[in-house]
Amino acid sequence: KAGVTQTPRYLIKTRGQQVTLSCSPISGHRSVSWYQQTPGQGLQFLFEYFSETQRNKGNFPGRFSGRQFSNSRSEMNVSTLELGDSALYLCASTPLGNTEAFFGQGTRLTVV
Amino acid sequence: SQELEQSPQSLIVQEGKNLTINCTSSKTLYGLYWYKQKYGEGLIFLMMLQKGGEEKSHEKITAKLDEKKQQSSLHITASQPSHAGIYLCGAPRGDNRLAFGKGNQVVVIP
Repeated sequence: KAGVTQTPRYLIKTRGQQVTLSCSPISGHRSVSWYQQTPGQGLQFLFEYFSETQRNKGNFPGRFSGRQFSNSRSEMNVSTLELGDSALYLCASTPLGNTEAFFGQGTRLTVV
Repeated sequence: SQELEQSPQSLIVQEGKNLTINCTSSKTLYGLYWYKQKYGEGLIFLMMLQKGGEEKSHEKITAKLDEKKQQSSLHITASQPSHAGIYLCGAPRGDNRLAFGKGNQVVVIP
């Protein structure tokens, strides 16, 4: 079984631009969560999607948004990028009825 | 303040030595996950503890959950260079998210 796949692995963007990150969960997993990891704050929960619906959202500004498609693949979007958005963005998928989360390799976003 | 505090923040051990790292929660624990991360990479699932007093082992890594103390410990026996990395504990919260500690950085010197 393939693991969680995140693309791209690395991104460099300029302040003010927007970016879209993609996550393909493990086959059969319908819940996808996104996390931001920075040296200062550690891992912070962004949002969680299940069956194309956002179920929960962390404490991040509205510039951070996401969506989930019918095949459970998810994307997150960050608009009007700021230097502080530089981070490792991790996606996790969870099987139904279980809280065990499997993480992808992450997308390293650098904002310059 | 952090929901999950991990200690020590960093640890350097000589190959072959044992080590223990801890994760303490400020809220009630309904389970706990341990992950390992190599710098800049994804999280590798190690084990999940669900009940107080539960202890699990995988190869040379043993983790235990003390619900009363709201704490979990992870012990590595006879450490090897492959054990080096950042160990993260995560606790499930009611809103389908995991809260994480900041990690224990483990360095193993040959």
